[in-house]
Formats: sequence, structure tokens, C-alpha cells
Amino acid sequence: GNSVTQMEGPVTLSEEAFLTINCTYTATGYPSLFWYVQYPGEGLQLLLKATKADDKGSNKGFEATYRKETTSFHLEKGSVQVSDSAVYFCAVAGFQKLVFGTGTRLLVSP
Amino acid sequence: NAGVTQTPKFQVLKTGQSMTLQCAQDMNHNSMYWYRQDPGMGLRLIYYSASEGTTDKGEVPNGYNVSRLNKREFSLRLESAAPSQTSVYFCASSGSGGPSRELFFGEGSRLTVL
Repeated sequence: GNSVTQMEGPVTLSEEAFLTINCTYTATGYPSLFWYVQYPGEGLQLLLKATKADDKGSNKGFEATYRKETTSFHLEKGSVQVSDSAVYFCAVAGFQKLVFGTGTRLLVSP
Repeated sequence: NAGVTQTPKFQVLKTGQSMTLQCAQDMNHNSMYWYRQDPGMGLRLIYYSASEGTTDKGEVPNGYNVSRLNKREFSLRLESAAPSQTSVYFCASSGSGGPSRELFFGEGSRLTVL
């Protein structure tokens, strides 16, 4: 079945630093890809998604591009803020369900 | 604007006890899911219901049962709780098109089994 591998954390950055969180996937065909974010004490919420190869998803300054040649969907942000501290999950759509990665905790200090 | 509501938010059980986690959504979604979240393991799917009247096993169904009571409600039951079931449980729902559409999550239910 479909699976996702994402970099382990925590990722610790200073405010205004550049962020990359790596995500690679294994899948049959070209499924939709997602990034979800979980803020402390809350459930997950959709951050961005891409539905086909070369699509770029973007939201709140975060971006990720669906790369079929490298089977990757890396999350990037040019300048992180303290409020971006959260756990980020990469996910791939499977048959009738989503498969999540293990999550990457981001800690941003002032 | 309730979205997905889970109850209870916290529960402590003794080994062997039973309990049911309740989940309700008010978005008229067809599909509902139960995930568990454990440190270093991410989210793992326990059971899902693609539509009212159907349920299917996910990755880690052992020790759990589910009921899709109606379109709004999807409950998760632990018949005989074990310490390995200590976890945070999330209910989620999605509309037509399943998980390729957005999943909406509840706030989670933290379960401790002693």
C-alpha cells in the first residue's frame, strides 16, 4: 500500500529562518499529497495539498511541490514565526483513506 | 460551528474495562475515520466508514470495534482495554471524494489504560 517517510524532528529554528521538512512517498499511480499541521492540544488541520504531478500547494507562506520524478513533497517556508511551532504531517491518499507520516515537530524560538 | 466533536476528551481505565469513544460530525460528510496517535508512530488508522452502513478495518484494528450509528455518528469501542491502547484517539470526517478531499479532525480523546 501507499506509504510516507518524513524527516524526524524536532527541527529547531530561530524566527525568520528558512524551513524545509522532507517528505517522500511510495504509491501506486499519482495520488493526492497533503501536509497537515497539529498545534498543541488540537486536532490536525489541512495546511496544503497537491493533486497531480508538478502542482504546488501553498497556504500561510508554506509551499510544497509534487515531484513525481523524486517521489517527494517537501514542505518549505521562507521565514518562520514562533506561531509556526507545531507538528507537521505529510500524508498520501490511498484507497478510501489517508496514510500519514510519523510527523515532524517544529520549534521556533524568538 | 462544531465540525467534528469527540467525547470524552480524557479517560482513565483499568486493564480489562470497556468503554466507547463517541464521535459526531455536523458537515453531512459521508466518510468517517478513527485514528490513534502515538509518539514516534504518527497517526495510524484503526477503522473507517466510507459511507453510512459500511465499516472497514485500517492498519491497527485489533482490540477495537466500531459502529456507524447513522450518517453523523461513528463510535469506537474498546471491549477489554489493555495498556497498549493508551493513546490519543482522533476522529475525522471527509466529504464526497473521500480522503482526496480535506479531512476534518476532532480535538482528540486522551485515553490512559492502567
